[in-house]
Amino acid sequence: RKEVEQDPGPFNVPEGATVAFNCTYSNSASQSFFWYRQDCRKEPKLLMSVYSSGNEDGRFTAQLNRASQYISLLIRDSKLSDSATYLCVVRQGAQKLVFGQGTRLTINP
Amino acid sequence: DAMVIQNPRYQVTQFGKPVTLSCSQTLNHNVMYWYQQKSSQAPKLLFHYYDKDFNNEADTPDNFQSRRPNTSFCFLDIRSPGLGDAAMYLCATSRERGGGTEAFFGQGTRLTVV
Repeated sequence: RKEVEQDPGPFNVPEGATVAFNCTYSNSASQSFFWYRQDCRKEPKLLMSVYSSGNEDGRFTAQLNRASQYISLLIRDSKLSDSATYLCVVRQGAQKLVFGQGTRLTINP
Repeated sequence: DAMVIQNPRYQVTQFGKPVTLSCSQTLNHNVMYWYQQKSSQAPKLLFHYYDKDFNNEADTPDNFQSRRPNTSFCFLDIRSPGLGDAAMYLCATSRERGGGTEAFFGQGTRLTVV
């Protein structure tokens, strides 16, 4: 079983739609969780950290479920510029960051 | 302003010819990571430094080595590149004092082996 698993997609949704991604992790001792965005042939960039109580940043909402060991990302009112690969990242221990495979999202006009 | 800088952005090397990729940071972060990312795959951690302490992943081939001469710089040495080592190599940093934070990535070095 992979340490961090995501549905690779691709997800193709119309502009303005709401889309949600899930990510599961295997190590129950994982401490911190993040969503990164990666554009084609570019480096990953932090989209948002994921807190236990859930958090929202504009159109983006992240949730953490420690009991079921999954995190989610919800994108509302999707824009063409949201097209990218979304990477789920889990911190194991103090230092090690493990990436999921990424979910490819395409927003269609 | 770039905070994690990788050089070069593109590197072409011959099969079996040693190559070094470099990374520098202006964030004064104490942890530096090297990841390998192949097409349509997740970034795979090769190793990381916590201050001067080197932490190698169990499945990182011996062909890959790293050096961190000071806080700001970290190098990835590939002793004998094979065709399978062609990939994007990403350097990242984070601050690990008092709890984990997110990682900041450089723009990557795309390595081609011919």
